[in-house]
Amino acid sequence: QKEVEQNSGPLSVPEGAIASLNCTYSDRGSQSFFWYRQYSGKSPELIMFIYSNGDKEDGRFTAQLNKASQYVSLLIRDSQPSDSATYLCAVNHYKLSFGAGTTVTVRA
Amino acid sequence: SQTIHQWPATLVQPVGSPLSLECTVEGTSNPNLYWYRQAAGRGLQLLFYSVGIGQISSEVPQNLSASRPQDRQFILSSKKLLLSDSGFYLCAWSGGPGGNEQFFGPGTRLTVL
Repeated sequence: QKEVEQNSGPLSVPEGAIASLNCTYSDRGSQSFFWYRQYSGKSPELIMFIYSNGDKEDGRFTAQLNKASQYVSLLIRDSQPSDSATYLCAVNHYKLSFGAGTTVTVRA
Repeated sequence: SQTIHQWPATLVQPVGSPLSLECTVEGTSNPNLYWYRQAAGRGLQLLFYSVGIGQISSEVPQNLSASRPQDRQFILSSKKLLLSDSGFYLCAWSGGPGGNEQFFGPGTRLTVL
């Protein structure tokens, strides 16, 4: 079982819609959770982090964490073409473990 | 503010040649430093991490090595490259106010022919 699992996509959403990305993890001791955005050919950029159960909002992004279900998600509201990228979920226990990423395409 | 640099940006090397990739961090002291590799279409693989000068932990046994000669300098090396060493090499640092967040440099794209 992979430590961090994400749907690879691609996830195609129309401009202005909500993109919903999911991530599950295997280590119950994980304490902190991160979402990175990676444009093609570029390095990952941290966009959200969450440590406690519940929702955390930052602009058009909302991260949701449910430690009991070992599940973390990212919602992108009012999706824009500039949101087209691969989104990496990362989970930290003693080290940061990354999922393989979900590719999002926002169509105009 | 903190800045992380990597060079070179791209590199094409023959099989069996040596490798040296450099990473430096500005604007912070005593950062944790990391080397990752991202193969085409795959996730990030942690190669090495360092919590201080001269302190290196290896995550994956292979023909690569890492060194940290200065507080904010991290070097990835190989004596003889393999075809399978091709990939996108990323340096990252952590140790900001939140503690756990890692921030990535621009990366080095290595092609071994």
